[in-house]
Amino acid sequence: KNEVEQSPQNLTAQEGEFITINCSYSVGISALHWLQQHPGGGIVSLFMLSSGKKKHGRLIATINIQEKHSSLHITASHPRDSAVYICAAYNNNDMRFGAGTRLTVKP
Amino acid sequence: DTEVTQTPKHLVMGMTNKKSLKCEQHMGHRAMYWYKQKAKKPPELMFVYSYEKLSINESVPSRFSPECPNSSLLNLHLHALQPEDSALYLCASSRGTPANYGYTFGSGTRLTVV
Repeated sequence: KNEVEQSPQNLTAQEGEFITINCSYSVGISALHWLQQHPGGGIVSLFMLSSGKKKHGRLIATINIQEKHSSLHITASHPRDSAVYICAAYNNNDMRFGAGTRLTVKP
Repeated sequence: DTEVTQTPKHLVMGMTNKKSLKCEQHMGHRAMYWYKQKAKKPPELMFVYSYEKLSINESVPSRFSPECPNSSLLNLHLHALQPEDSALYLCASSRGTPANYGYTFGSGTRLTVV
C-alpha cells in the first residue's frame, strides 16, 4: 500500500465545475506539497501546507493533520487547468509522492 | 531568477552513446536533486546533492553518474543506457529542508534510449 494515496486517479469535468482532489497519507508528516504537472513534463509548485488552508486565485488547499488528509479544490475550472495534480508528503528530508490525479477539463 | 533550467529538453541516444543532462539554478539553493519519472508514474528520487556533496544515492545503476561542479550546476552523465531507462528526468532544487521550503522543479529532459 502506498503511503500517500490520491483519489480519484482520473477526473473529467466540464468547464466551470468545482473540482476536488483528495490526498490521504499514512505516515506522520511535517508538510504536504501540492504540485501540478502539465503534459510537457514540467512540475509547478502550487501549495505547501502544514496546517489549515491556503488560497491562491481559483485554487484552495486544505489539510487536516489529525485525519491525515488534504484536499485541493479548483473553483470555476477551465480547460487550462487540465494537468496531473500530485501531492507529496514530507517527513523532514524524506518525501513520498502520490500517484497523481489526471484532470481533464472539457470546454 | 526563480527557475531551474534543464537542457536539453529532449534527447535521443543509442545504447553505446555517452551523453550528459544539465541542470542550472541561480537562486542560491544548496540542495539539488535528480528524479526519474516513467509515464503515468510519480517521480522517483535518484540522487541528492547537499552543499555540492552527494548525500543520497537511491541505489541507482552506475550507468548514471551525477556531478555537481558548483552550487549552481548539476549534471547527470549517461553511459551505456538501456531502453528501459527512457523516461523524463527532472531536476529540482531546494533552499533548505524541503519540508520547510519545498522544491523548485525544472521542466525536465525527455530521454529516449534506442
